[in-house]
Amino acid sequence: GNSVTQMEGPVTLSEEAFLTINCTYTATGYPSLFWYVQYPGEGLQLLLKATKADDKGSNKGFEATYRKETTSFHLEKGSVQVSDSAVYFCALGVFSGGYNKLIFGAGTRLAVHP
Amino acid sequence: KAGVTQTPRYLIKTRGQQVTLSCSPISGHRSVSWYQQTPGQGLQFLFEYFSETQRNKGNFPGRFSGRQFSNSRSEMNVSTLELGDSALYLCASSLGTAGTDTQYFGPGTRLTVL
Repeated sequence: GNSVTQMEGPVTLSEEAFLTINCTYTATGYPSLFWYVQYPGEGLQLLLKATKADDKGSNKGFEATYRKETTSFHLEKGSVQVSDSAVYFCALGVFSGGYNKLIFGAGTRLAVHP
Repeated sequence: KAGVTQTPRYLIKTRGQQVTLSCSPISGHRSVSWYQQTPGQGLQFLFEYFSETQRNKGNFPGRFSGRQFSNSRSEMNVSTLELGDSALYLCASSLGTAGTDTQYFGPGTRLTVL
């Protein structure tokens, strides 16, 4: 079946530290991969996406590369800021039977301290 | 272009009551999906509507229902509320017609059942 596994949080970093949040997936076919971010009290915001193997998604200094050989889509940022504190969700987009479905990981909470 | 809007943002109900939540998708989007987010279960898919038809349904009891109107706006209804229905309900819209489709989320409706 289709599933997403994310590293457990919380992840606590100092400002300007390097961030990696691991995400691996199991899927049939050719899924799209997404990272969404949720700030306190808000809905989900699309952070970045990749639609095929070896694609790199990037936005606001965050990057993730679709690695089919390792079934991974790890999120990275070179220098985090306090404002990056949020919960990050990795998601698998499966198109089957004529409809799209998102399958989410459990989420990883990131706390960045000054 | 305006984003996904959801009303109301907050609701407080008592057990046994029913509730209706509303979602207006991004202009031009024909697919609306609903998700329930709780601390224990994470993000769970409820159902998806496309052109007024339910195309996909998650594993929720029949108390959870929805519909979509000709202008793509969608409502979900929960009848006979239970304490466990307390959650953040998120709506997402997309074009709904391609395998690389991207879902955009609204801010959510926070439902509290007392």
